[in-house]
Amino acid sequence: GQNIDQPTEMTATEGAIVQINCTYQTSGFNGLFWYQQHAGEAPTFLSYNVLDGLEEKGRFSSFLSRSKGYSYLLLKELQMKDSASYLCAVMDSNYQLIWGAGTKLIIKP
Amino acid sequence: GAVVSQHPSRVICKSGTSVKIECRSLDFQATTMFWYRQFPKKSLMLMATSNEGSKATYEQGVEKDKFLINHASLTLSTLTVTSAHPEDSSFYICSARMLEGSYEQYFGPGTRLTVT
Repeated sequence: GQNIDQPTEMTATEGAIVQINCTYQTSGFNGLFWYQQHAGEAPTFLSYNVLDGLEEKGRFSSFLSRSKGYSYLLLKELQMKDSASYLCAVMDSNYQLIWGAGTKLIIKP
Repeated sequence: GAVVSQHPSRVICKSGTSVKIECRSLDFQATTMFWYRQFPKKSLMLMATSNEGSKATYEQGVEKDKFLINHASLTLSTLTVTSAHPEDSSFYICSARMLEGSYEQYFGPGTRLTVT
């Protein structure tokens, strides 16, 4: 079956760095997405990786290793507004998004 | 760019009535639109995929006669929850995929449905 695993909840301190991991097993692979979702709101796009390596975009970076079925989202210089759920999603061979359950990130002052 | 709107944002209805939710891509044409529902503290659950001018493809376990999807144009899809029951109360989110470009999905703001 298809499976996306990510931690349920993480806590970090304002100004620090946090890494949210995602492992996946899917039928085919056409890229991995990270989305941010604040409570009661729809997800917003953060990053897309289809090749191995690190993609940096401001305070956020995303890494992919296809051979290991592994990705992480790295958030630097954490701000209180970064408190949200972070969703990992993999596009399978049918170009369908398979969603992880999301990681709730709590930022403390 | 790539803005998706959803209307209404919140709706409360009585059991047995039907509710229509609209999803519009405002500044791009969408080959495909997706409908999701999300329960509190849970991930998105894909309900159906709709392509303009053709019938929607429903995920296993989703009743097509209860959740009617119409995708009349490249910028509009509607989801109608028919004969709603309290268990249909949920957060419904649509997303749209562009005609050209990457396979990124752009999400609408969501509709909070409460059935009393």
